[in-house]
Amino acid sequence: DIQMTQSPASLSASVGDRVTITCRASQSISIYFSWYQQKPGKAPKLLIYAVSSLRSGVPSRFSGSGSGTDFTLTISNLQPEDFATYYCQQTYNTPYTFGQGTKLEIK
Amino acid sequence: QVQLVESGGGVVQPGRSLRLSCAASGFTFNTYAMHWVRQAPGKGLEWVAIIWYDGSNKYYANSVKGRFTISRDNSRSTLYLQMNSLRAEDTAVYYCARDSSPGHEMDYWGQGTLVTVSS
Repeated sequence: DIQMTQSPASLSASVGDRVTITCRASQSISIYFSWYQQKPGKAPKLLIYAVSSLRSGVPSRFSGSGSGTDFTLTISNLQPEDFATYYCQQTYNTPYTFGQGTKLEIK
Repeated sequence: QVQLVESGGGVVQPGRSLRLSCAASGFTFNTYAMHWVRQAPGKGLEWVAIIWYDGSNKYYANSVKGRFTISRDNSRSTLYLQMNSLRAEDTAVYYCARDSSPGHEMDYWGQGTLVTVSS
């Protein structure tokens, strides 16, 4: 199985900050990589797919980058509604594993 | 608009069975693969299973293989998860999600249904 290692586990930031979350795959996963946002009590929402493609309707302050095994989610100019938990996922091979999640909290 | 509505969750004793359903609307169900994903209380997301648009292929997480069966009825636009030999560690909110081929990311999710395995 492909292991996804996400870091940090938690992160404190302020409105207006720029933050970066990283995810490392245990093997190369090509472009089969996505980021999701989840707020408490809600279903996850797809933010970015194919490493860097922004889903329609997602604000442009969200961006993704990376290749092979190392990937990054960057959120610029943090807004109050961005404080949530973020998950990465590989869909290169089944089982389609998620990272452990990063909880982004208000400082 | 795309809508996915799960049902069938509840409290069940260890070793028993439960079947979850996911009613889909707002899109052509029989042209999309579908997933089940679960989340134990206070924990992260765990992918459970995928079924191809026509039911021809099914894949499972190791933790449920041999106990859970994913299926679909395209005539009813409904996805199912048959869960047998349930264990305490299967306690979770179960989400169905639409597959966004070709990358297999999940672009629409239901609200989830809670399964509690407890004696």
